[in-house]
Amino acid sequence: QKEVEQDPGPLSVPEGAIVSLNCTYSNSAFQYFMWYRQYSRKGPELLMYTYSSGNKEDGRFTAQVDKSSKYISLFIRDSQPSDSATYLCAMSGAAGNMLTFGGGTRLMVKP
Amino acid sequence: GAVVSQHPSWVICKSGTSVKIECRSLDFQATTMFWYRQFPKQSLMLMATSNEGSKATYEQGVEKDKFLINHASLTLSTLTVTSAHPEDSSFYICSVVGGNSGANVLTFGAGSRLTVL
Repeated sequence: QKEVEQDPGPLSVPEGAIVSLNCTYSNSAFQYFMWYRQYSRKGPELLMYTYSSGNKEDGRFTAQVDKSSKYISLFIRDSQPSDSATYLCAMSGAAGNMLTFGGGTRLMVKP
Repeated sequence: GAVVSQHPSWVICKSGTSVKIECRSLDFQATTMFWYRQFPKQSLMLMATSNEGSKATYEQGVEKDKFLINHASLTLSTLTVTSAHPEDSSFYICSVVGGNSGANVLTFGAGSRLTVL
């Protein structure tokens, strides 16, 4: 079993839909949680960064961490075709530790 | 966060030649850089950790003589694919850890696509 599990998709939604992307993990030591967005043939870019449990909102994006369930989510409101990309979750234990990545979910937002 | 520049963005070479990819941290002194490899529609695979002034640490299964890493300064790490073969064709991405975004946040370069004919 992988340390971080992420549904590869593809996930196809119509423009304007609310998108929910999720990762589960097995290592209870993880405290730092990140979401990266990767467009085709580009390097990943950091979208959201959270520490421990709770929610964090940034524009149309909301990151949610539930450490008791070992489950993190990224919500995208009013999805746009430009949101079409692969979304990677990543997490680590203590600050400075290596990140463990999920396999990525490919999202397609259709106009 | 950190700004990472990677060059070249795309390179095509003949089988048997060597290719060098550069990764520069433009606004942050990076003692550590990471090199990843990514095949189409797959996730990132960590190849090695590049340490300034010392030897790189390679992940299991990655040939250190095949993928030469040099981290001669705090702003530059290079990955050289020696005697490249078609199976080495892939997307290579470097990253820097730290900077303003956070102590364990990775900032990635734009990636280098290698095609070996």
